[in-house]
Amino acid sequence: EVRLVESGGGLVKPGGSLRLSCAASGFTFSSYSMNWVRQAPGKGLEWVSSISSSRGSIYYGDSVKGRFTISRDNGKKSLYLQMNSLRAEDTAVYYCAITIFGLPPPSDAFDIWGQGTLVTVSS
Amino acid sequence: QSALTQPASVSGSPGQSITISCTGISSDVGDYKSVSWYQQHPGKAPKLIIYAVTNRPSGVSDRFSGSKSGNSASLTISGLQAEDEADYYCSSYTTTTTGFGGGTRLTVL
Repeated sequence: EVRLVESGGGLVKPGGSLRLSCAASGFTFSSYSMNWVRQAPGKGLEWVSSISSSRGSIYYGDSVKGRFTISRDNGKKSLYLQMNSLRAEDTAVYYCAITIFGLPPPSDAFDIWGQGTLVTVSS
Repeated sequence: QSALTQPASVSGSPGQSITISCTGISSDVGDYKSVSWYQQHPGKAPKLIIYAVTNRPSGVSDRFSGSKSGNSASLTISGLQAEDEADYYCSSYTTTTTGFGGGTRLTVL
């Protein structure tokens, strides 16, 4: 069974940092592009970042560019999101998701999602 | 603010068909090149129901269909069922970004 499990969320003060992880299982992680998508409470989906299977291509949304860093460890079958200089507006559930068919980024088709991890930025 | 625009809400009765629009899709160079649709029930992760404008992932009901014309895309749900009540999001991408519509709340009356 294909599975994605996010972790690392929690409460952090404005200006602080947090590192999210996404543990993958049930598929050949190294063959698939991966993505982070977030959803603020009661709001819609917002794409955050994407990384290709080989880490050769990385993309960020404008709202996180320069503050967030996406990375992956194919040996550990894990995806990461380092979040620095956090703001109240970064408060959201953060999902990791697989790009369908191993397509390179950018893409709009994410066919497997984790359950999400909540990040709350508040003093 | 989403670059892809969806109606905030739509509704329909069981058995009916409804259509959700997504505008802002352009066929011009550098603009959005594809369309996907997601269904999200409260407290759950989104589920991909349409990709590449018209394609359904394995296991998705054929009551869901997608189309695109010019600057707009549409999701049609036929034979509406109570379980279809959810939020629906369109999505597309450019050469460097991925975008989501603001979402449409579907109410089954």
